[in-house]
Amino acid sequence: DAGITQSPRHKVTETGTPVTLRCHQTENHRYMYWYRQDPGHGLRLIHYSYGVKDTDKGEVSDGYSVSRSKTEDFLLTLESATSSQTSVYFCAISEYRDIGTDTQYFGPGTRLTVL
Amino acid sequence: AQRVTQPEKLLSVFKGAPVELKCNYSYSGSPELFWYVQYSRQRLQLLLRHISRESIKGFTADLNKGETSFHLKKPFAQEEDSAMYYCALPCSGNTGKLIFGQGTTLQVKP
Repeated sequence: DAGITQSPRHKVTETGTPVTLRCHQTENHRYMYWYRQDPGHGLRLIHYSYGVKDTDKGEVSDGYSVSRSKTEDFLLTLESATSSQTSVYFCAISEYRDIGTDTQYFGPGTRLTVL
Repeated sequence: AQRVTQPEKLLSVFKGAPVELKCNYSYSGSPELFWYVQYSRQRLQLLLRHISRESIKGFTADLNKGETSFHLKKPFAQEEDSAMYYCALPCSGNTGKLIFGQGTTLQVKP
């Protein structure tokens, strides 16, 4: 497995509380991504980063924010968690420069339950 | 708009039977397509990609531009092939972003 860890691996929280998920990589890859995985929807991109302090929105970014202050860390924050954000969250990294270096490597996932 | 469609949520076959997991895409231009796989209790990982034209674990996938398809095939399924399979397409714009399909669970019965 590529050097990608996610923390926490499991979390149960209540509606309205803030939640931060962490993705940490040791590969020095430039690109990092946050996805959510839901039955019937597959993997959907929430936010991504193309460098330190450089981030952009993905397909389902409402209710989420991200930060990347160091190459190795990419944080996903749910400002005020809702039940619709119950999901499995995956982080991925890529060294992407062009075709052939665009493989994404995934973390183990975080299962988040919002009650 | 770019889109990836996997029409089957679940595909169940017996060991030794042929397998075809369907993937259709919408994309203007020459796409680079991927199949990712997630085995039970393992991370999502790249299985194969169009540009390499490799056969991985007995799986192959051919790009059919006329039908805009990239179906994943294996002539003889094994129980260890049971997993979730995702087809993916790069977004335009040189961002490294991927668009994933909805995923298909392959269940290979003994």
